[in-house]
Amino acid sequence: GAGVSQSPSNKVTEKGKDVELRCDPISGHTALYWYRQSLGQGLEFLIYFQGNSAPDKSGLPSDRFSAERTGGSVSTLTIQRTQQEDSAVYLCASSPRGLSAGVLTDTQYFGPGTRLTVL
Amino acid sequence: AQTVTQSQPEMSVQEAETVTLSCTYDTSESDYYLFWYKQPPSRQMILVIRQEAYKQQNATENRFSVNFQKAAKSFSLKISDSQLGDAAMYFCAYRHSEGNQFYFGTGTSLTVIP
Repeated sequence: GAGVSQSPSNKVTEKGKDVELRCDPISGHTALYWYRQSLGQGLEFLIYFQGNSAPDKSGLPSDRFSAERTGGSVSTLTIQRTQQEDSAVYLCASSPRGLSAGVLTDTQYFGPGTRLTVL
Repeated sequence: AQTVTQSQPEMSVQEAETVTLSCTYDTSESDYYLFWYKQPPSRQMILVIRQEAYKQQNATENRFSVNFQKAAKSFSLKISDSQLGDAAMYFCAYRHSEGNQFYFGTGTSLTVIP
């Protein structure tokens, strides 16, 4: 079946502009994560959505970053007034997180990422 | 705060040989999950193997196995019979059983030499 998709695959923008990154999770997955991966670094957690619950925004680096998830499916990560340090690969992952036969299932399925370059 | 450390930025292995990637973590929790993810040049992260902390038995998936030492907070990945397709960046990750946030290490770049 279809995996997690992200668009655009690459985005080049000028400092100060706003950008929107899109994530289409696997159908039926209740959990969705956004991460940022800077060059040579590991993944930095940004935000987590689970069903209709309030999102966990504890990883967002500043108030310029926001995300929403409409209808429990597609998610959009918005970065306002982009800065050069925002340049990174932004990865989205979805998970069928929940209990199945009493076992927690939380394997993440990652999208291919969006490479953001802020000039 | 939880931290995950991968002390080997780069590793190489001859094709068909065995290689072990190291990972240590720091936590005060007793119930958590550990993961190894593979990231090839395509950038997409692929789950390799998963371990529940409450299980003493080491997880195994075909040629991939882990050595989970809970007391030492160590979670190494062994790749047996290495193949060219195993070349990638490998990330170790931690998640508390009740938490949402995954903590990733900085990765180990694995090269497989033909």
